[in-house]
Amino acid sequence: GNSVTQMEGPVTLSEEAFLTINCTYTATGYPSLFWYVQYPGEGLQLLLKATKADDKGSNKGFEATYRKETTSFHLEKGSVQVSDSAVYFCALSQEGGSEKLVFGKGTKLTVNP
Amino acid sequence: DTGVSQNPRHKITKRGQNVTFRCDPISEHNRLYWYRQTLGQGPEFLTYFQNEAQLEKSRLLSDRFSAERPKGSFSTLEIQRTEQGDSAMYLCASSPIPIQYFGAGTRLSVL
Repeated sequence: GNSVTQMEGPVTLSEEAFLTINCTYTATGYPSLFWYVQYPGEGLQLLLKATKADDKGSNKGFEATYRKETTSFHLEKGSVQVSDSAVYFCALSQEGGSEKLVFGKGTKLTVNP
Repeated sequence: DTGVSQNPRHKITKRGQNVTFRCDPISEHNRLYWYRQTLGQGPEFLTYFQNEAQLEKSRLLSDRFSAERPKGSFSTLEIQRTEQGDSAMYLCASSPIPIQYFGAGTRLSVL
């Protein structure tokens, strides 16, 4: 079945540091890929998405590129802020049918001033 | 657009009791999903509705769980004879594909 593997956390960085959170997936065909973010006490919010190979999703300074050859969708940000502290989830969905999301376990990021 | 609304936000119950959660999706979205999230894990799919039709159910959804979406609007998730293992965050999402919009969830604690 489909699955998503995320880098284990927690991750602690200083403000303005570079962020990478690794995500790899297993799926048949060409899934859509997502990064969702969960701030404390809030629901999941879509951060960015990519629906086909080589697409780059970007939002709020975060980027991720859909790499079919390495089945990866790593999240990056050049300079993190304290306000980026949250839990980040990588997810995929398969076109057709329910298009339910399959999530990784999440990576908790803490950014210190 | 007020977003996806879930009620209650928290529910504490005793083992063996029945509980019901409600989800109000974004009004124009015809797809609705329920997920369960336990501590330290990502959300796991429970069930999916397109309008009022329940089209897919996960094996996680035991006989004690039932979900409805009358008239294709709000949805309810009922758990009968709750067990301690049911303690989790229950998330609802609505969608125009491929993006799903999540509510804040209902946190269930079974004592």
